[in-house]
Amino acid sequence: GAVVSQHPSRVICKSGTSVKIECRSLDFQATTMFWYRQFPKQSLMLMATSNEGSKATYEQGVEKDKFLINHASLTLSTLTVTSAHPEDSSFYICSAIRTGWANSPLHFGNGTRLTVT
Amino acid sequence: AQTVTQSQPEMSVQEAETVTLSCTYDTSESDYYLFWYKQPPSRQMILVIRQEAYKQQNATENRFSVNFQKAAKSFSLKISDSQLGDAAMYFCAYLAGNMLTFGGGTRLMVKP
Repeated sequence: GAVVSQHPSRVICKSGTSVKIECRSLDFQATTMFWYRQFPKQSLMLMATSNEGSKATYEQGVEKDKFLINHASLTLSTLTVTSAHPEDSSFYICSAIRTGWANSPLHFGNGTRLTVT
Repeated sequence: AQTVTQSQPEMSVQEAETVTLSCTYDTSESDYYLFWYKQPPSRQMILVIRQEAYKQQNATENRFSVNFQKAAKSFSLKISDSQLGDAAMYFCAYLAGNMLTFGGGTRLMVKP
């Protein structure tokens, strides 16, 4: 089955530093990847849609300069949290749609727990 | 804008019994997909079942089945013969094009 690898699974960083999270589709090509944020006991909140070779589309209220998304290849999208602050502490999760499989089941990474001290 | 509503924040079921989780959605699209995802404490998102809107037949996956009522925009999940491992958060999701929307989730507890 299709696998999405997300790395790191946990990261602790100091306030003011930047953190990069990787999302890789291991056995399929993903034209589109999604980045979500999930607060405790809440649903997944879509942050942005990442399309290979083009700029990401950010949801309303998400700062594109703070959450930098790069989708340079069909198998890799990265989310960089710049100048992280404690309020950025959260669970971040990515998902991918297999290229050419319109409306195929979304494949999720296992998520990254970010703690900013 | 599409919205997905799960009206039951928490549900409880006795082991081996059947439980139904509710989901309603609002859309003007005619072609879309609906999903139920399970999120255990590990927080991994696990696809439970999927329904294409153009199919009238309700999807079934082993102990999991859906009641898809397109006109009513309802998509409920039935879990039969509930097991302790079914305890998790369950999210209903709607997908049209590249627009994905999740419901607020239902926490399912299974009593031994």
